[in-house]
Amino acid sequence: NAGVTQTPKFQVLKTGQSMTLQCAQDMNHEYMSWYRQDPGMGLRLIHYSVGAGITDQGEVPNGYNVSRSTTEDFPLRLLSAAPSQTSVYFCASSYSGTEYTDTQYFGPGTRLTVL
Amino acid sequence: SQKIEQNSEALNIQEGKTATLTCNYTNYSPAYLQWYRQDPGRGPVFLLLIRENEKEKRKERLKVTFDTTLKQSLFHITASQPADSATYLCALAFYNQGGKLIFGQGTELSVKP
Repeated sequence: NAGVTQTPKFQVLKTGQSMTLQCAQDMNHEYMSWYRQDPGMGLRLIHYSVGAGITDQGEVPNGYNVSRSTTEDFPLRLLSAAPSQTSVYFCASSYSGTEYTDTQYFGPGTRLTVL
Repeated sequence: SQKIEQNSEALNIQEGKTATLTCNYTNYSPAYLQWYRQDPGRGPVFLLLIRENEKEKRKERLKVTFDTTLKQSLFHITASQPADSATYLCALAFYNQGGKLIFGQGTELSVKP
């Protein structure tokens, strides 16, 4: 199993550009989520999905869109990049997302810089 | 809103000693608490989980305690090694949040030989 994969690993954007961060998992997990990690702030939840066709907002959703057309994939779209979106982005998945004991499996991260 | 605090300062210890990391939370008691390890440039990796009705959990050199009265979890690494150097994150799940986790900001541990 590859686990959770993310592409690209690094990306530099100019303000106003759009892009999609890709995330895929091969563990047949129902729950997938996107976090951003900033220095001193910990991981903050952007969007999450409890299954194909179902998405919901997390703590910091503004400026980001998601969709979940398959169980495996959960792309994150930046509509119009802003310098405040410079961060490291992690995708994670877990078996169900509704069980309190679910372990999250994280991808390797995408380091995004917006100039 | 729920707040989670971990030692913001890096913890530096000597090899062989026990490292103790703290995770404090406010307001509601979590259903359970998880600890993750994160190495530079990589995603977090799950280490241990402890439920609200458990006081202590062990796995090899790792021990987690959970005190719902103090609203605190302690994470211990005994006989620490330089390979234990990393950032350690605590994450809490609450009854009114489904399976979503709320993460602390992490504590960086450095074990010197």
